[in-house]
Amino acid sequence: DIQMTQSPSTLSASVGDRVTITCRASQSISSWLAWYQQKPGKAPKFLIYKASNLESGVPSRFSGSGSGTEFTLTISSLQPDDFATYYCQQYNSYPYSFGQGTKLEIK
Amino acid sequence: QVQLVESGGGVVQPGRSLRLSCAASGFTFSSYAMHWVRQAPGKGLEWVAVTSYDGRNIYYADSVKGRFSISRDNSKNTLYLQMNTLRAEDTAVYYCARPEGVLRVYYYAMDVWGQGTTVTVSS
Repeated sequence: DIQMTQSPSTLSASVGDRVTITCRASQSISSWLAWYQQKPGKAPKFLIYKASNLESGVPSRFSGSGSGTEFTLTISSLQPDDFATYYCQQYNSYPYSFGQGTKLEIK
Repeated sequence: QVQLVESGGGVVQPGRSLRLSCAASGFTFSSYAMHWVRQAPGKGLEWVAVTSYDGRNIYYADSVKGRFSISRDNSKNTLYLQMNTLRAEDTAVYYCARPEGVLRVYYYAMDVWGQGTTVTVSS
């Protein structure tokens, strides 16, 4: 089974900051990686697929990169609505797996 | 609009059973594989199970294999999760989710999610 590890677990930042979240896979997953945003009490929201493709309607300040085992999610200029928990997920093989999450907090 | 609505959650004693449902609308349900994903209180997301569009290909997480069963009724646009021999660690919000593309059970992320239904396993 593929293990996904995100870092950091918590990130404190301010509006306007550029932030980067890292996700590492225990083995190569090519580019079969997605990113989701989740706010308390809500379902996850789909942000990025195939490591770097932005879902329709997602603001362009979000971007993803990477392949193989190392991936990043970058938010170029944080907005108030971006403070949430972010998860990566591999869909290279079953069982699918998620990272443990990165909570993005207001500094 | 595309929508998934889960139901069937509740409080159940350890060892008992529960069946969750996910009603789909706004898209051709019979063309999509479908997933269940859960989230324990205060924890991260855990993928649970997937069924192909026709129910012929099914995969489970090790944590539920042999106890949970995923199924679908394409005539009713409904996905199910039969949960048997429930344990305290099955306590979670259960989401159904649709893949971003049709027919294939592989190589698609999940682009549409329901609001979730809460299952609490407690004596």
